[in-house]
Amino acid sequence: NAGVMQNPRHLVRRRGQEARLRCSPMKGHSHVYWYRQLPEEGLKFMVYLQKENIIDESGMPKERFSAEFPKEGPSILRIQQVVRGDSAAYFCASSRPGTGGHEQYFGPGTRLTVT
Amino acid sequence: DQQVKQNSPSLSVQEGRISILNCDYTNSMFDYFLWYKKYPAEGPTFLISISSIKDKNEDGRFTVFLNKSAKHLSLHIVPSQPGDSAVYFCAAPRRDAGNMLTFGGGTRLMVKP
Repeated sequence: NAGVMQNPRHLVRRRGQEARLRCSPMKGHSHVYWYRQLPEEGLKFMVYLQKENIIDESGMPKERFSAEFPKEGPSILRIQQVVRGDSAAYFCASSRPGTGGHEQYFGPGTRLTVT
Repeated sequence: DQQVKQNSPSLSVQEGRISILNCDYTNSMFDYFLWYKKYPAEGPTFLISISSIKDKNEDGRFTVFLNKSAKHLSLHIVPSQPGDSAVYFCAAPRRDAGNMLTFGGGTRLMVKP
């Protein structure tokens, strides 16, 4: 009965490189949310995906960031040409269809450090 | 526009006493509220929730109170234990945005033995 899995747990990238963060939702969950937590701040919504569809990406920066949730495999959050300001903890949450909002289960997060 | 606010970044309480964590919101469309607990290097863990049709929800040592007219909720932990030391976030789902959660900035609770 695995929970939400995220990998890698820690990722170090130099400025200009690409970062790929992976999230495997809980079994039976087809909704995935990505949140970002900057140091000393709360979590901020980035994007909401269902299988093969981006439902809401209103929290995603307009450039360099993209997300997908393919039919098979994990959800991927991709950051191109990373900058120091991208350093943060990125959390993925998953839920089943039709739940009321409290059924979002979070993964352990990926801590991205841009040097 | 920060729709959910936690104005106390930290709180220190003696073991055995009551911890009260506060949260204010501005969006009157919010109809459900959640508290999450977060340890360092871990993801948030759901703790307790409350629907806007209620003014109180209790689960063991944890009670959440909702005052809709004041747009204010609070989490009471009694008695507080050292293992409760963590960062606590209140959150509300946006019904108009796929239930994505809007989080407050968090309150770091330290329970001293």
